[in-house]
Amino acid sequence: AQSVTQLGSHVSVSEGALVLLRCNYSSSVPPYLFWYVQYPNQGLQLLLKYTTGATLVKGINGFEAEFKKSETSFHLTKPSAHMSDAAEYFCAVSDVSGAGSYQLTFGKGTKLSVIP
Amino acid sequence: GAVVSQHPSWVICKSGTSVKIECRSLDFQATTMFWYRQFPKQSLMLMATSNEGSKATYEQGVEKDKFLINHASLTLSTLTVTSAHPEDSSFYICSARDFSRAVGEQFFGPGTRLTVL
Repeated sequence: AQSVTQLGSHVSVSEGALVLLRCNYSSSVPPYLFWYVQYPNQGLQLLLKYTTGATLVKGINGFEAEFKKSETSFHLTKPSAHMSDAAEYFCAVSDVSGAGSYQLTFGKGTKLSVIP
Repeated sequence: GAVVSQHPSWVICKSGTSVKIECRSLDFQATTMFWYRQFPKQSLMLMATSNEGSKATYEQGVEKDKFLINHASLTLSTLTVTSAHPEDSSFYICSARDFSRAVGEQFFGPGTRLTVL
């Protein structure tokens, strides 16, 4: 069974400050990991993903995340927050079992507020 | 590329009626689609996995007779909420897997807001 824990349901940062959203996972097999962003009343947009290879993954809008197997973490960062980054962020882990459905298990989400 | 649409984007219905929500992959074939439910300020809860041409697989606790899922083609899956009640009011989101792309990646629709009066 897989699970995802996002530390902090709400994070506030000043515009221009570092954004750090934390995600820890548990998985019995090497995971595929994702970060999605959701704006109000909209679906989810993929920010970035880790499948294999380089552990530092760069995504859209200046976001990046680093897969740390020893810490079972996949924290999302952005050097300088922009007002448009205010949204809900979800970390997810994919089932890569032989069943092949590749279901996603989501964390509870972190709401990012950016203060002008 | 990899666009998923949902229709309608919002719907208001009376208690006891049925509502159908469509999920379409516009520019790719999706042999697998997923239906999620999201309550306000909460995460997405997987309801069912829909495979083209076969019966959907429902998650534990999801009533298959209440939430009917049909995946009749490689680009269309439908979710029908039968005899809807106010507690079914929620945000329903579908996603689709593009098997021609990276393993495990799902593309999400914009969601459907259902309000049952």
